[in-house]
Amino acid sequence: GAGVSQSPSNKVTEKGKDVELRCDPISGHTALYWYRQSLGQGLEFLIYFQGNSAPDKSGLPSDRFSAERTGGSVSTLTIQRTQQEDSAVYLCASSLQGGTNTGELFFGEGSRLTVL
Amino acid sequence: GENVEQHPSTLSVQEGDSAVIKCTYSDSASNYFPWYKQELGKRPQLIIDIRSNVGEKKDQRIAVTLNKTAKHFSLHITETQPEDSAVYFCAARTSYGQNFVFGPGTRLSVLP
Repeated sequence: GAGVSQSPSNKVTEKGKDVELRCDPISGHTALYWYRQSLGQGLEFLIYFQGNSAPDKSGLPSDRFSAERTGGSVSTLTIQRTQQEDSAVYLCASSLQGGTNTGELFFGEGSRLTVL
Repeated sequence: GENVEQHPSTLSVQEGDSAVIKCTYSDSASNYFPWYKQELGKRPQLIIDIRSNVGEKKDQRIAVTLNKTAKHFSLHITETQPEDSAVYFCAARTSYGQNFVFGPGTRLSVLP
């Protein structure tokens, strides 16, 4: 596609349930990032994938959060046993890094998660 | 790790006036500093960026300045217009980590 695609756009779940959020990056982009944005707040880094390298998981807030990137393309962010404080917009971004590329981040529209 | 601070958190200006947003970073290895604009309910989008080997960059009404010694960089918007109203985020990226650390954001309101 032309841009970063995320699904679902909105997800309402009950506390304790697991959720999966999907990100389809721009074709050919080697880097993929997940950020979390709580209402009116900034962008909190969660995890970063670059090519075949081990992901940078340093931003994941707890072991309930995990992410995979299959085949160097689509990524899935999984939140297990959701809590109310997990409610936020989860933003995915991709970039083309290496060489003279600046590594500009292209963001998706985000997945809004509400945990009741 | 890198830490990015941003000021002010909110800024109101009259249409036509200038707006300045300032950011500081902690990691001297950071070498790329983009600015993102996020309109209400929309995704962040890059508006301007600067590399560490440049002190200033300008694109029409927006400009960014970088002071590597002091580890701070600023966004300048001249002749502000109502459509400039948004949240602006600065960010820093290190050459080794390739990760982006964002500032907390500045909510700019341009009053007609």
